[in-house]
Amino acid sequence: GAVVSQHPSWVICKSGTSVKIECRSLDFQATTMFWYRQFPKQSLMLMATSNEGSKATYEQGVEKDKFLINHASLTLSTLTVTSAHPEDSSFYICSASRAGGSYNSPLHFGNGTRLTVT
Amino acid sequence: DAKTTQPNSMESNEEEPVHLPCNHSTISGTDYIHWYRQLPSQGPEYVIHGLTSNVNNRMASLAIAEDRKSSTLILHRATLRDAAVYYCILRDPLTDGNKLVFGAGTILRVKS
Repeated sequence: GAVVSQHPSWVICKSGTSVKIECRSLDFQATTMFWYRQFPKQSLMLMATSNEGSKATYEQGVEKDKFLINHASLTLSTLTVTSAHPEDSSFYICSASRAGGSYNSPLHFGNGTRLTVT
Repeated sequence: DAKTTQPNSMESNEEEPVHLPCNHSTISGTDYIHWYRQLPSQGPEYVIHGLTSNVNNRMASLAIAEDRKSSTLILHRATLRDAAVYYCILRDPLTDGNKLVFGAGTILRVKS
């Protein structure tokens, strides 16, 4: 149980285009989802917290107009990288917190989306 | 976020126990100690967490020092599939909610 699915697992796009990444909780409802970015040989960097039915909370230094987050249902959050550039190439990972769980409940992570911008 | 310090890398032989240390000298009374691991090209997965007492589950054991300034993740018999980056993370439910902030972690290499 507790599966988080990300789609696509990898994507290549041209500079200037936008890319949407989906994060779904398959067997549980998630009031909160988190989006991370990971560059090669680095740790995960938290980008934003996505709350169902409300605006996302972005970490300092993350451009909210560039990384659009929508959390329209209890099982789906999307991250759209707008006007992507080569420096946006990275591994994007989402995680979900089970609705009704405690603050110490484990987070469940997707398997990531590798974005390459050419 | 309270800071944790882990060795950059460790190496273990297959079938032997592995002790992964984590220092967190500035831990607060409400910080929980969480461990996650990340296999290559995958998202992280939960390993274990604790507050004060030692914890055991099917994946690992967590030994927490009495003063809580350090902890050790114990893999009782390492396998090749345990090769991953292991992250020790402090999480205060009062301030962090259920957010996780990752540090650099320890790269565990397992030799056959």
